[in-house]
Amino acid sequence: KNQVEQSPQSLIILEGKNCTLQCNYTVSPFSNLRWYKQDTGRGPVSLTIMTFSENTKSNGRYTATLDADTKQSSLHITASQLSDSASYICVVSTSNDYKLSFGAGTTVTVRA
Amino acid sequence: NAGVTQTPKFQVLKTGQSMTLQCAQDMNHEYMSWYRQDPGMGLRLIHYSVGAGITDQGEVPNGYNVSRSTTEDFPLRLLSAAPSQTSVYFCASSPTITRGSFYGYTFGSGTRLTVV
Repeated sequence: KNQVEQSPQSLIILEGKNCTLQCNYTVSPFSNLRWYKQDTGRGPVSLTIMTFSENTKSNGRYTATLDADTKQSSLHITASQLSDSASYICVVSTSNDYKLSFGAGTTVTVRA
Repeated sequence: NAGVTQTPKFQVLKTGQSMTLQCAQDMNHEYMSWYRQDPGMGLRLIHYSVGAGITDQGEVPNGYNVSRSTTEDFPLRLLSAAPSQTSVYFCASSPTITRGSFYGYTFGSGTRLTVV
């Protein structure tokens, strides 16, 4: 069964600090991996997408990495801001039917 | 351009009642889908549609019905609500399922449903 595991489940960081979120997957055949940000009471919004050939991709203060060999991805948040408080969801898509497998998310709380 | 609009935002039902969650998009997307989000779990696909008149089951379809009479609307019907259907429901759309995979989906803001 295609699975996506995220860690940690939640974390608290001080404003201005960095943090890294992890995503491990067993989805096959692999097409792409996307990180979504979900604010409280809102739907998920796409942050970045990683395809098989990409190792690193940045979107402002967000940097995603992908190791397709070990089936691991990370999302690094630099110089965190209060607005970064949200749930971050790792989503992996298959290449045969483009169905999505969602991780349970990591809840990030940024404190002043 | 409103994107994906879901109504209502909150709903409380009694066990056995039926209701319809509404989802509408104004982006002319062919692909629309319904997910449920439960604590500690990833979003799970309930039903999806690749175009008007075409629907199919997802991972957790039991207890839910859908129809797609127009491109814009994709309502989700709970036939006889059960406490196990307490969840947050999201509607998502994309031009096609392939483009959704590569370019991302547009999600609605969700409907929080409680069944007592």
